[in-house]
Amino acid sequence: GAVVSQHPSWVICKSGTSVKIECRSLDFQATTMFWYRQFPKQSLMLMATSNEGSKATYEQGVEKDKFLINHASLTLSTLTVTSAHPEDSSFYICSAPWGGTGDNYGYTFGSGTRLTVV
Amino acid sequence: AQKITQTQPGMFVQEKEAVTLDCTYDTSDPSYGLFWYKQPSSGEMIFLIYQGSYDQQNATEGRYSLNFQKARKSANLVISASQLGDSAMYFCAMTYTGGFKTIFGAGTRLFVKA
Repeated sequence: GAVVSQHPSWVICKSGTSVKIECRSLDFQATTMFWYRQFPKQSLMLMATSNEGSKATYEQGVEKDKFLINHASLTLSTLTVTSAHPEDSSFYICSAPWGGTGDNYGYTFGSGTRLTVV
Repeated sequence: AQKITQTQPGMFVQEKEAVTLDCTYDTSDPSYGLFWYKQPSSGEMIFLIYQGSYDQQNATEGRYSLNFQKARKSANLVISASQLGDSAMYFCAMTYTGGFKTIFGAGTRLFVKA
């Protein structure tokens, strides 16, 4: 149980175009979705937290106009990289908490999207 | 501020031997959760084990065990009987009160030798 499906798994796009990444919770309702970015051989860095029906909360230094997050339903959160540039090339991964209370949340991750901007 | 430290960028272990991956953390919150994740080359994050700050006993999940030393603020992962398929990146992570955010350590790359 508690599966998050992330698509696409990889994408190559031209500089200046926009790319949408989707994360769907398949068997639970994800009221919250975390979006991470991971550069090669580095750790996951939290970009933003999306909550269903409200605006996303962005971490310091993350451009909210560049990384548009939409969480329109309890099962779908999307990240759109607008006007992508080569420096946006990275591995993007979503994560949703499920079950538990307090700090005893389980977290399930999407399979990640490898974005290459050429 | 919350912090997770993994000081081993890379580790080698012989197949069938045990290996310990180090993790120390820092937080002033009394309630927190500690996680270990495995990330193979495919990129997916695989949950391995969880330890709550109030748990009295060390967590175990199959070949994985978490050596939780609260006073030292350490949460080392022990993998027993290493397998070739254990070669991957391993991340220590912590959730803390105030928004269930998760912070990750820098990771340790484990290489299992045949």
